[in-house]
Amino acid sequence: DVKVTQSSRYLVKRTGEKVFLECVQDMDHENMFWYRQDPGLGLRLIYFSYDVKMKEKGDIPEGYSVSREKKERFSLILESASTNQTSMYLCASRMTAGYNSPLHFGNGTRLTVT
Amino acid sequence: AQSVAQPEDQVNVAEGNPLTVKCTYSVSGNPYLFWYVQYPNRGLQFLLKYITGDNLVKGSYGFEAEFNKSQTSFHLKKPSALVSDSALYFCAVRDDSNYQLIWGAGTKLIIKP
Repeated sequence: DVKVTQSSRYLVKRTGEKVFLECVQDMDHENMFWYRQDPGLGLRLIYFSYDVKMKEKGDIPEGYSVSREKKERFSLILESASTNQTSMYLCASRMTAGYNSPLHFGNGTRLTVT
Repeated sequence: AQSVAQPEDQVNVAEGNPLTVKCTYSVSGNPYLFWYVQYPNRGLQFLLKYITGDNLVKGSYGFEAEFNKSQTSFHLKKPSALVSDSALYFCAVRDDSNYQLIWGAGTKLIIKP
């Protein structure tokens, strides 16, 4: 079974802090994704990566950046955390073979910015 | 613009009764449709997908979904609900412009004993 592990389940940070959210997958998937989940809004794509060192902006990249130095690890960075970035963050991975392959999600990181 | 809608924020069903969670979509080309489930304090899990072929798609945990092209719908169904089916359900459609998923807002399913 694919395992996608997010390093923190809960995080509390102060406004202006730099925040790192880490995600690791163990199935050699090339595609990785960061979403945020807010009630009533579903999932919104922040950034995604099709391979090491590659990154693409999603629908809401402002205020975020990402890093993919190794295939199994995809990090989301909040350069200067703000209260409107309080949310549930979900990492996902997908095998390369086709855009219709299922996404495999981590359990999420609930970030609170105060 | 491509979109997906889940018209019900919450659905309540008695255990043992059939359940339906509704999803409608709008796409410019052929629809590629997905259902995911999120149990409390967990990430999302894939349930099923429609790509082409039979309009009735079977998935995990006894769920199925019916694709209806004329009504642009992809409703999730199960003949007999279990309390353990209580969760948040998301419908998604593939965006043909960038191959990413467009997600519905989610429907909370509550199964009462």
